[in-house]
Amino acid sequence: GESVGLHLPTLSVQEGDNSIINCAYSNSASDYFIWYKQESGKGPQFIIDIRSNMDKRQGQRVTVLLNKTVKHLSLQIAATQPGDSAVYFCAENIAGNQFYFGTGTSLTVIP
Amino acid sequence: GAVVSQHPSWVICKSGTSVKIECRSLDFQATTMFWYRQFPKQSLMLMATSNEGSKATYEQGVEKDKFLINHASLTLSTLTVTSAHPEDSSFYICSARGGSTDTQYFGPGTRLTVL
Repeated sequence: GESVGLHLPTLSVQEGDNSIINCAYSNSASDYFIWYKQESGKGPQFIIDIRSNMDKRQGQRVTVLLNKTVKHLSLQIAATQPGDSAVYFCAENIAGNQFYFGTGTSLTVIP
Repeated sequence: GAVVSQHPSWVICKSGTSVKIECRSLDFQATTMFWYRQFPKQSLMLMATSNEGSKATYEQGVEKDKFLINHASLTLSTLTVTSAHPEDSSFYICSARGGSTDTQYFGPGTRLTVL
């Protein structure tokens, strides 16, 4: 399969701080990316997506940045809250086929 | 947003029995459904892709006779783990994609424990 990896397997942040989770992908043909949040014992939850014709997309408290030059994706969470503690996965998609998932980053928010 | 459900959420069974897991898209028609397996603290591993009304496409290394997938309608796909063994114990997650969207929406997962 394709290689989608995360730079940091674990991340701890203080409540109220901003979090940045990074992801590297290997296939330059990937044209669609999604960030998922997975809490313990639950299925992945869609957070935000971005297509390859965009560099940045904002949601509620979250921003995804895409740098196609270096094949890098990041998820920024503003004012991180305890409820944000979870494992975050990036996933890449090529031409509507199946997604390839990264290994995940575990985010822990310290109250 | 799109809602995908799974049933059961947790199943415990004896070795040698077969277990059926259902995946339903509740508010949209899922032309494609995906089945994943996830071990603790690991990423999702795609097992198979199924399109409504056709045979599932299995990933390399996944036994199609062991993991039977049926996608008989646009809102329901089932995964049957046949003759389950302890090594089949895992978290099984389905996702669904419908219409013109590329986005996959995930179910809550089913935890299978084989004794």
